[in-house]
Amino acid sequence: EVQLVESGGGLVKPGGSLRLSCAVSGFTFSNYNMNWVRQAPGKGLEWVSSISSTSLYIYYTDSVKGRFTISRDNANHLLYLQMSNLRVEDTAVYYCTRDSAGLVDWGQGTLVTVSS
Amino acid sequence: DIQMTQSPSPLSASVGDRVTITCRASQSIGNALIWYQQKPGKAPHLLIYTASTLQTGVPLRFSGSGSGTDFTLTISSLQPEDFATYFCQQSYSNPPYTFGQGTKLE
Repeated sequence: EVQLVESGGGLVKPGGSLRLSCAVSGFTFSNYNMNWVRQAPGKGLEWVSSISSTSLYIYYTDSVKGRFTISRDNANHLLYLQMSNLRVEDTAVYYCTRDSAGLVDWGQGTLVTVSS
Repeated sequence: DIQMTQSPSPLSASVGDRVTITCRASQSIGNALIWYQQKPGKAPHLLIYTASTLQTGVPLRFSGSGSGTDFTLTISSLQPEDFATYFCQQSYSNPPYTFGQGTKLE
């Protein structure tokens, strides 16, 4: 059974930092590109970042460039999102997703709240 | 970036109705179009990829069509469990991915 379990969310002040983690099981993690997608409360889906299977290719949406860093640990089946200089508008549920002809598997999400 | 626009939203329907949701891309994306269903408090669930290919396990009442810039998701006979929000996503620019704003079926 495929499982993606995010952790690391919480309440942080503007300008603060958080590191999200996603532990995966049930598939060969090192074979797949992975993504972070977020959803602000009551809003739609927004793709945040992608990382290729070997970490060779990394992409970010413009609003997080220079502030967020995606990374992965293939040996331990972990995906990360290091978030710094957080803004109120970064408040959202953050999902990690597996990429295979679409975002075929999703975690349950972790809530990041940026507020003073 | 490629913009995705869905219509209508919200969409009012009843059990047994045939429902069609439209998604339009700001430029041609071939058949690189994906549909998701999301229920309240849950993660999205992939329904259809490459515009018309049904994901394994998705009921046959769901179908997708279109190419280029105009796409549709059709539910042939709406069931109670289908009341949800539906999102389209383009995978043509690989990445950045972009989603439609969502269509809430109510």
